[in-house]
Amino acid sequence: DGGITQSPKYLFRKEGQNVTLSCEQNLNHDAMYWYRQDPGQGLRLIYYSQIVNDFQKGDIAEGYSVSREKKESFPLTVTSAQKNPTAFYLCASSDQFSGNTIYFGEGSWLTVV
Amino acid sequence: AQSVTQPDIHITVSEGASLELRCNYSYGATPYLFWYVQSPGQGLQLLLKYFSGDTLVQGIKGFEAEFKRSQSSFNLRKPSVHWSDAAEYFCAVGTGNQFYFGTGTSLTVIP
Repeated sequence: DGGITQSPKYLFRKEGQNVTLSCEQNLNHDAMYWYRQDPGQGLRLIYYSQIVNDFQKGDIAEGYSVSREKKESFPLTVTSAQKNPTAFYLCASSDQFSGNTIYFGEGSWLTVV
Repeated sequence: AQSVTQPDIHITVSEGASLELRCNYSYGATPYLFWYVQSPGQGLQLLLKYFSGDTLVQGIKGFEAEFKRSQSSFNLRKPSVHWSDAAEYFCAVGTGNQFYFGTGTSLTVIP
C-alpha cells in the first residue's frame, strides 16, 4: 500500500542523547515535512524539504536536524540541544501531482526520561 | 501572511445532531483548502479538499464543506454526527508546497 511510514511509534530518550525518527514514503512525492504537536496543540513546522539534498528550517528548527539523501526518506534527529523534546512528531509529504495535498504518517511519540 | 483561524477550540454535540465547524483564512488569492481529522495518537486523515469549481465539496465519512470567498471561510458540516466522529479537526490552507494549519477544534459527541 502507498503511504508514509514513521518509526518507531514510541521512543524514550534519556536527557543528553540524540535520537532519530524515521520517515519513509512510497508516494513518489517531492516534498516532505516534519511537524511537532504538543498535547492539545496545533501543528508546528520543524523542517521541510522540497527536493532531494535540499531542506529549509520551519518555525521551530532549533535543536533539530534533518537530511534528505533519498526522495523517499526524510529522517529527523532530535538533538540534546532541544530543551523540551517530549512531543508527538508527524511526518508528511506532498506533491503537485497529488493535487498539492499534504498527507501524513501515523506519528511518533517521543518521551524524555 | 497566510493564516488560518478556527475560532472554536472545543465543541460538544449530541449524537444525531448536526455539526458545523468554522474555519476562516487569510490569503491573497484563492487558496487550496483542506479539512483533516485526527484521532488521539494518530496522524491526520484528509476529509476533503477544495481547489476550484463547485464551492460545496463532499468528503469522506459524510462530511461536506462550503467555500465562501466573500467571507474567507471554509466551514465543515455534517448533518448527523456519530459517536465515532469525536476527534480533533484541523482546517488548512495550501499554497504550492506550503501549508498553514489552524489550531484545531476538538469535537466531543455525547449520547
